[in-house]
Amino acid sequence: QVQLVQSGAEVKKPGASVKVSCKASGYTFTGYYIHWVRQAPGQGLEWMGWINPNSGATNYAQKFQGRVTLTRDTSITTAYMELSGLRSDDTAVYYCARHVGSAYWFDPWGQGTLVTVSS
Amino acid sequence: NFMLTQPHSVSESPGKTVTISCTRSSGSIASSYVQWYQQRPGSAPTTIIYEHNQRPSGVPDRFSGSIDSSSNSASLTISGLRTEDEADYYCQSYDSSNPLVVFGGGTKLTVL
Repeated sequence: QVQLVQSGAEVKKPGASVKVSCKASGYTFTGYYIHWVRQAPGQGLEWMGWINPNSGATNYAQKFQGRVTLTRDTSITTAYMELSGLRSDDTAVYYCARHVGSAYWFDPWGQGTLVTVSS
Repeated sequence: NFMLTQPHSVSESPGKTVTISCTRSSGSIASSYVQWYQQRPGSAPTTIIYEHNQRPSGVPDRFSGSIDSSSNSASLTISGLRTEDEADYYCQSYDSSNPLVVFGGGTKLTVL
C-alpha cells in the first residue's frame, strides 16, 4: 500500500538545524510531488512547501524561504525537510504528504515527526 | 492571497447531522477545489473530501461536501453522527500566489 514513513522525534537547541526524512513506498516516487506541512501544539496546519521528486524543483512558502530546504534521494525514495535557525516557535509536528491530482490534495500523510526546540 | 475561516468548534448528538462551514475571504470559492481532512487526536490528517465533493474510497457516504457561491463558502456535512467522528476537521484550498496551499483554522467536532 502507499505509505510515507517519517523519521523519529528530535530535540534541538535554538539556532540549530533539523533534518526530517520521509520514506515513500508502494508507488512510483518520482511521479508525485511531496509537500511538507507543520502543526504547532494545539494549533492548525501550516503549509511549508513542496518538492518535485523527479526534477528536484522546489517551491517554498514565503514565510519559510531562506530557512527551509527540501531535497530528495530517488535511489532510496526518500524526501527530506531541513529547517535552519530554529526558534522555540518552530516546535511542532512536521508532516510530509503526497500530492494527488491537479487539485492540491494530499494522500497519504506521513505519521508526523515532533521537533522540539528548547534550550 | 486569501484566508479560509472555519468555526472553532461545533457539537451535536449521535445520530444527528452537523455541517461545518469554510468561508473564503477573497476570490471565488469555485475558483479552486476545496478539500476536507479529518484529524483524530495524536494522528495525522486523512482526506475525507477532495475536489469539493468527492470521497476517497473507504470514506462512508455519511460524509459529503459542497460549495455555495452566494456565501463564498464550502461545507462539510456529516450525517448519522457517531462518537468516532469526534475529531478536528480542516478545509484546504490553493492559490496561484504564495503560499500556494491554504488551510482553514480547523473545527473541533464534539459528539455528545
